[in-house]
Amino acid sequence: QSALTQPASVSGSPGQSITISCTGTSSDVGGYNYVSWYQQHPGKAPKLMIYDVSNRPSGVSNRFSGSKSGNTASLTISGLQAEDEADYYCSSYTSSSTRWVFGGGTKLTVL
Amino acid sequence: EVQLVESGGGLVQPGGSLRLSCAASGFTFSSYEMNWVRQAPGKGLEWVSYISSSGSTIYYADSVKGRFTISRDNAKNSLYLQMNSLRAEDTAVYYCATEHFDYWGQGTLVTVSS
Repeated sequence: QSALTQPASVSGSPGQSITISCTGTSSDVGGYNYVSWYQQHPGKAPKLMIYDVSNRPSGVSNRFSGSKSGNTASLTISGLQAEDEADYYCSSYTSSSTRWVFGGGTKLTVL
Repeated sequence: EVQLVESGGGLVQPGGSLRLSCAASGFTFSSYEMNWVRQAPGKGLEWVSYISSSGSTIYYADSVKGRFTISRDNAKNSLYLQMNSLRAEDTAVYYCATEHFDYWGQGTLVTVSS
């Protein structure tokens, strides 16, 4: 099972919006609404930011939003803040012989 | 408060074995599916294994199939990962996570080296 494809890095200035893409296939991202996004700061465990494509867990800022079109899911962060600088990963349910697949991760730099 | 605490990591020689544990609290463990996810140093997240709430359904990543065994003891609120025939490429921080990855432990480091 190949990892989902994410850009290696994205950057933006405080206050701006950025979008991170996550591309899979019809066997994972495109076939199910079970895409999630995670934020990971250095040395910390991942934190769930978005689940089921576009839902935010309690306590996650509404500056974070998710969407999906075809085989590509997207995470948008609006009003960038310094503390948003982190690694971001997507995951999806997959109908392959495994069950879950992660993206390779995207490093967000807040300029 | 949901808590997941991994233990059992350490240094092991190639070909050796290790058993990881994940102690769960703050939720009804027996009702939750669980996962193991690992992260090699400086690398991304890799899903490793899944187990259903009863333990009757199990999945593995191709990279560990035949070498790792996931199990659980609902009476002890614990999740396990038995790792055999370890290789250098298994070196990683291993996390346990709830069914939809909404809660994660702090991770335990496994180093495979001679």
